[in-house]
Amino acid sequence: EAGVTQFPSHSVIEKGQTVTLRCDPISGHDNLYWYRRVMGKEIKFLLHFVKESKQDESGMPNNRFLAERTGGTYSTLKVQPAELEDSGVYFCASSHARDERIRDYEQYFGPGTRLTVT
Amino acid sequence: KNEVEQSPQNLTAQEGEFITINCSYSVGISALHWLQQHPGGGIVSLFMLSSGKKKHGRLIATINIQEKHSSLHITASHPRDSAVYICAVKNYGGSQGNLIFGKGTKLSVKP
Repeated sequence: EAGVTQFPSHSVIEKGQTVTLRCDPISGHDNLYWYRRVMGKEIKFLLHFVKESKQDESGMPNNRFLAERTGGTYSTLKVQPAELEDSGVYFCASSHARDERIRDYEQYFGPGTRLTVT
Repeated sequence: KNEVEQSPQNLTAQEGEFITINCSYSVGISALHWLQQHPGGGIVSLFMLSSGKKKHGRLIATINIQEKHSSLHITASHPRDSAVYICAVKNYGGSQGNLIFGKGTKLSVKP
């Protein structure tokens, strides 16, 4: 079974440009999460999809970030326009289908996309 | 102050030593995760626990809900255990994916 994959692995862009990150979750995982780690800081939650719906987007830093998951399969995270402080590693994770009887699921993480904004 | 604190921040050990990494948190939680990140690599989930103790190979994770504290133990450590170990908690009542992460403990095991 393939794990969570992310593309690209690295991206270097200039301030003001647009970048789109992609995450392919494990097949059959309805839950998809985006996280970010900026230099020297702890990983922070960005948002959570259940299938194609945004369940929780409380961690999105501002409206320059747009996440989508059309069709409930892969997800994209677009940053437009990128700023210097957006540099960091963006992780995606997925977990099993939602079951109201179970509150917590183990998450499977992707390798991350390292974004550098210059 | 972060809601999840790990100690130590850095740890160097000799091969074969018993290692303990600590995690304290200040919020009510429904689950705690221990994660491992190898240099240049992705993140692997080691344990998810909400009470008691779990064991997998040479790794043991414990949690004390009353004291809001968890420990990750590595027995008979090996250089391949060198990695960053991250504690993350899910806030009770929070959405499923909204984890709060510690800054991580960087472990280096020397041969």
